[in-house]
Amino acid sequence: AQSVTQPDIHITVSEGASLELRCNYSYGATPYLFWYVQSPGQGLQLLLKYFSGDTLVQGIKGFEAEFKRSQSSFNLRKPSVHWSDAAEYFCAVGSTAGNNRKLIWGLGTSLAVNP
Amino acid sequence: DADVTQTPRNRITKTGKRIMLECSQTKGHDRMYWYRQDPGLGLRLIYYSFDVKDINKGEISDGYSVSRQAQAKFSLSLESAIPNQTALYFCATSGVQGGEAFFGQGTRLTVV
Repeated sequence: AQSVTQPDIHITVSEGASLELRCNYSYGATPYLFWYVQSPGQGLQLLLKYFSGDTLVQGIKGFEAEFKRSQSSFNLRKPSVHWSDAAEYFCAVGSTAGNNRKLIWGLGTSLAVNP
Repeated sequence: DADVTQTPRNRITKTGKRIMLECSQTKGHDRMYWYRQDPGLGLRLIYYSFDVKDINKGEISDGYSVSRQAQAKFSLSLESAIPNQTALYFCATSGVQGGEAFFGQGTRLTVV
C-alpha cells in the first residue's frame, strides 16, 4: 500500500540556520511528489512538486527538495530559515497510474523558529 | 478572489444539528475533495468526486455525506453533528491524476 512518512513530528531551529525536513514514501513506481506548507489559520499552499526530470526541485520561498529514488525520499531543504517559515509542512504522494487517484499525505512536521 | 472558496469559515453548532459546509471553485477542475484535519492526525480524506456523477467515499466517510451540485460546487453535510466531528475541514481541487491539489482556506467547525 502507498504510504508517506514524515519522521519528525516537531522541529525547532534558530533563525538563519539551515533546515531539512524528511519525507519517505512507499510506492510501486516513481510517484508525483509534493511539499505543502500550512501557516497558522491558513489553508495549504504548494511549496514545490516533482513529476519527472531533474531530481532537485526549486520551490517558492527559497525552498528546494531532492528526489532520491534509491532512498524513496523527497526531503525539503532551506539554507537559511526565516521566522516567517514557522508553520506545518506536509509531504504528499500522488499516483502516476492505475485507479488510485488520490494524494496520500504524511502527518506533517511542525516547524518552530527561534529568534 | 480565491480560487477555492469555503463557507462558512467558522461555525459553532450543537450536537444533533444538521450542518452543511460549502465549497466552490473557479479553477475549472473536475476533481474535488473534502478533508478533515485534526492535530497530530494530518489530513484525512472524507469524500472525493472526479466529476458530477462520480462520488467516492474516503477514509472516514461515516457520519458525513456530500453533494456535487455542479462542476464548481461540492458540499459536505453532517446529518447529525457530534462533538468528535469538531475539526478543521478543507475542500480541495485538482486537475489531473495525481496532480497538484489546490486548497480552500478551511472551515473550523465546533460541535458543542
